[in-house]
Amino acid sequence: RKEVEQDPGPFNVPEGATVAFNCTYSNSASQSFFWYRQDCRKEPKLLMSVYSSGNEDGRFTAQLNRASQYISLLIRDSKLSDSATYLCVVPFNDYKLSFGAGTTVTVRA
Amino acid sequence: GAGVSQSPSNKVTEKGKDVELRCDPISGHTALYWYRQSLGQGLEFLIYFQGNSAPDKSGLPSDRFSAERTGGSVSTLTIQRTQQEDSAVYLCASSWGITNTGELFFGEGSRLTVL
Repeated sequence: RKEVEQDPGPFNVPEGATVAFNCTYSNSASQSFFWYRQDCRKEPKLLMSVYSSGNEDGRFTAQLNRASQYISLLIRDSKLSDSATYLCVVPFNDYKLSFGAGTTVTVRA
Repeated sequence: GAGVSQSPSNKVTEKGKDVELRCDPISGHTALYWYRQSLGQGLEFLIYFQGNSAPDKSGLPSDRFSAERTGGSVSTLTIQRTQQEDSAVYLCASSWGITNTGELFFGEGSRLTVL
């Protein structure tokens, strides 16, 4: 089983829609989780961190389900600028981060 | 600039040639990582440097790959006798070394194409 697995998508949604997708992880000992955003042909950048049951930052909500070992990311009121690949990231140990292959979201006008 | 700087941004080479990729991390960051990203794949961990500690080389895919970090700052990733499967984007990242924050600062990457 891969350390981090994501639905690759693509999720194609109209502006203003809500889109949500999940990430599953194998390391049950992980205490913290992260979502990164990667624009086309650009470097990944941290979007948000998830340390407990969830986190909300504006239109973005991340939720953690430890029992089922998955993290979700929900984007409300989608903007064209939200079009990107979202990478789920789980610490493998004290310093190594395991990255999922990413979920591609395309927001259309 | 204040970000992670990588060079070259693009490199096209012939199979069997050696290549060197350079990374200049953010000043003051003690941790430095190399990751590889192939088309449609997740980031693959290659190597980790932290201060003066021995690096974690566990992700290097073969003995053709090596990396060094001089003076705790600039790092060079070397690939000897390149193969077509080495084609990928090589991403360097740095951090303060406390990964509980989960924030790695990535460079824009070096895109390697092996013909």
